Amino acid sequence: GENVEQHPSTLSVQEGDSAVIKCTYSDSASNYFPWYKQELGKRPQLIIDIRSNVGEKKDQRIAVTLNKTAKHFSLHITETQPEDSAVYFCAKFSRAAGNKLTFGGGTRVLVKP
Amino acid sequence: SQTIHQWPATLVQPVGSPLSLECTVEGTSNPNLYWYRQAAGRGLQLLFYSVGIGQISSEVPQNLSASRPQDRQFILSSKKLLLSDSGFYLCAWRAGTQQETQYFGPGTRLLVL
Repeated sequence: GENVEQHPSTLSVQEGDSAVIKCTYSDSASNYFPWYKQELGKRPQLIIDIRSNVGEKKDQRIAVTLNKTAKHFSLHITETQPEDSAVYFCAKFSRAAGNKLTFGGGTRVLVKP
Repeated sequence: SQTIHQWPATLVQPVGSPLSLECTVEGTSNPNLYWYRQAAGRGLQLLFYSVGIGQISSEVPQNLSASRPQDRQFILSSKKLLLSDSGFYLCAWRAGTQQETQYFGPGTRLLVL
């Protein structure tokens, strides 16, 4: 019940198009869902997060949606730009599972100019 | 503001040699601290985490160990490195058990030859 499944593993989009990454989990106790962006050779950086009492959160061109009933959450990037090319990781936090995040396997996003 | 440091930034070590990587956090007290390893092109593998001085939880049995001699210092060690220990080692912190947001350090790139 601790795993996070992330899809797709790779995503290629044309500049200006939208990109969507989806993560699913199975335990009901998870209440915090962050997304990290990792550029080549760099550390993962938190880009947006959402808590279980909220269904959607937006920050400029990125948004995250959460469906607690279906146990999935998604990252949406609109009007993609070349600098959005990176690996994106979703994660979930559950106090019942210990004081740690459980990460998805990552999605490599390539934005083609 | 809080900052997290890791050193060294890069390291090349022969097989069988010892290892010591250091992580320190500034600007916060009693953080939760984490060590992750990331193999080339792969996801984030949690190795150890600590909720306080001298308290270490191990996630994956292997030839690595961790210690927390001071509140804001976290050390990853090995007595004898293996080729498979090569990777990007990331330290992360969270501001105590009531905060979910987690931030990563700049990482140490380790190559074992």
